[in-house]
Amino acid sequence: EAAVTQSPRNKVAVTGGKVTLSCNQTNNHNNMYWYRQDTGHGLRLIHYSYGAGSTEKGDIPDGYKASRPSQENFSLILELATPSQTSVYFCASGDASGWGVYEQYFGPGTRLTVL
Amino acid sequence: GDSVTQTEGLVTLTEGLPVMLNCTYQTIYSNPFLFWYVQHLNESPRLLLKSFTDNKRTEHQGFHATLHKSSSSFHLQKSSAQLSDSALYYCAQAPSGSWQLIFGSGTQLTVMP
Repeated sequence: EAAVTQSPRNKVAVTGGKVTLSCNQTNNHNNMYWYRQDTGHGLRLIHYSYGAGSTEKGDIPDGYKASRPSQENFSLILELATPSQTSVYFCASGDASGWGVYEQYFGPGTRLTVL
Repeated sequence: GDSVTQTEGLVTLTEGLPVMLNCTYQTIYSNPFLFWYVQHLNESPRLLLKSFTDNKRTEHQGFHATLHKSSSSFHLQKSSAQLSDSALYYCAQAPSGSWQLIFGSGTQLTVMP
């Protein structure tokens, strides 16, 4: 089974500060995704990547940047954090063939609080 | 655009009663892939069921669902709820040819003794 890890697991940031959330996967999946989870909204896609060096905008990219420096690592960057970005963030990975394109494996999540 | 609708935000059941969580979808594509993900408390979402075949029942871990393209539905069912079924359930679709999943807003299922 895919192993996806995230760091930090919890983060408290100040408004206007820079926040970097990191994700690592060890199963050589091509696709990686960043979601945020909010009650009543479900899981919303922020950014995704098809492989090292690529990043694509998801449904709610405003205020976020992403970086995919390698197959294993995918970061989410909040340059100027705002309280509205307080949420739980999940990273996921998935293979790029057959059913694997759609079956996503999620990391444990990062709880971010912006004060 | 493409979307997934889960009409119930909260469902509370007594142990032993049947479970049915509703899921409908909208898509311009004729061959969507439909999924149910489950998320237990303090855990991450994981895949529970998946289907792309019209009118074929798919089953896993006591749950089942049938994709009905005529009604754009993929409802999740179980004959007898267990306490351990308490969790957040997401329905999701992957429109044909897309590498993205579109999630519904989720249904929180609570099973009481």
